[in-house]
Amino acid sequence: QLQLQESGPGLVKPSETLSLTCTVSGGSINNSSYYWGWIRQPPGKGLEWIGSIYYSGSAHYNPSLKSRVTISVDTSKNHFSLRLSSVTAADTAVYHCARQTPYGSSWAFDPWGQGTLVTVSS
Amino acid sequence: SYELTQPPSVSVSPGQTASIACSGDKLGDKYACWYQQKPGQSPVLVIYQDNKRPSGIPERFSGSNSGNTATLTISGTQAMDEAVYYCQAWDSSTAVFGGGTKLTVL
Repeated sequence: QLQLQESGPGLVKPSETLSLTCTVSGGSINNSSYYWGWIRQPPGKGLEWIGSIYYSGSAHYNPSLKSRVTISVDTSKNHFSLRLSSVTAADTAVYHCARQTPYGSSWAFDPWGQGTLVTVSS
Repeated sequence: SYELTQPPSVSVSPGQTASIACSGDKLGDKYACWYQQKPGQSPVLVIYQDNKRPSGIPERFSGSNSGNTATLTISGTQAMDEAVYYCQAWDSSTAVFGGGTKLTVL
């Protein structure tokens, strides 16, 4: 059964760069059928897609975050990573990774990692 | 940018039918999916491609999408269905989520 696990610092200072990694187990990230995505959720609020990456390294990002986001993939380690620069308190959120799965003629996020809370504070 | 709008809350009595709407411009021309999120847990996909259920999702969950509105319907709602439900669609290769609807089973 595929599982995803987020890891990284739980506290980041304002203006610094948030870095997280999502490790995939129970399956290979080196699979042409899927993308791998990051979604965040501020405490008590809704979901916001950050971006997704293909095993080849091709990525697409939410236009609202594109200038600050980089998503990369390391197939040898079976993980993909998120970097979000110049963070502010507004970036405090639970960050989820998920597999972007083709379902019929569309895509959906399934399954999801458990999520990791990142707080931006000095 | 594209937006999806959901009511903040919906209430239903056990055993009754719950309907949660998600509206967006010409949403019916896109595919909608729905996620269930219980407190302290990650979202779970319950409907994809407007009206299809992933393996393991009970038959009481169904969906539709036409015009500007997608609808998640839960028939014979159970206490375990109490959760926040999010709709999601794709617009120009961007994933867009609705704001979420808290379903309360009274």
